[in-house]
Amino acid sequence: GQQVMQIPQYQHVQEGEDFTTYCNSSTTLSNIQWYKQRPGGHPVFLIQLVKSGEVKKQKRLTFQFGEAKKNSSLHITATQTTDVGTYFCAGGTALIFGKGTTLSVSS
Amino acid sequence: ETGVTQTPRHLVMGMTNKKSLKCEQHLGHNAMYWYKQSAKKPLELMFVYSLEERVENNSVPSRFSPECPNSSHLFLHLHTLQPEDSALYLCASSQVRQGFGELFFGEGSRLTVL
Repeated sequence: GQQVMQIPQYQHVQEGEDFTTYCNSSTTLSNIQWYKQRPGGHPVFLIQLVKSGEVKKQKRLTFQFGEAKKNSSLHITATQTTDVGTYFCAGGTALIFGKGTTLSVSS
Repeated sequence: ETGVTQTPRHLVMGMTNKKSLKCEQHLGHNAMYWYKQSAKKPLELMFVYSLEERVENNSVPSRFSPECPNSSHLFLHLHTLQPEDSALYLCASSQVRQGFGELFFGEGSRLTVL
């Protein structure tokens, strides 16, 4: 069945460093969504990308959808301790979730 | 406050017990979902209801039984569960059936099966 792979599984950074998580699919995706789950919390929607090559920004977060619509990335510039959590991508009309990337930040 | 309320937040049950998880959404959405979240696994979609009709059942064991009496309420009835069913069960809703609609998740029900 369709799978969405996310890498890395874990990432630790020093506060102020940048962070990127990648999402890859073997099949073309109609859309991709990103969610953030804080420790002990529930997933919260961040953004949806639909168009090939689309780039969207939310303050320090930059989201990209690949030209072939098979991959996506989330980049955080100058991480803060408030960025701690697990970031999930979910792709396609069936919204298949990746395993997530857990980000930890030390100050 | 997410607009999606789940009760109970924590549940401990034996393998022979029968219990139910409840979800209520106050967002006027048309679709509701049950997801299972286990450690080191992706979010697993269990059931989808659209306009109170079950439209998806992803090979979930019959010991899990969903019920959607109206568009605002969703239940997950549990009976004769196994220890490997211990997980966080998340309810979600969306304006339209999944795919292009943003999912609004509840805070989850943490289930432990002894």
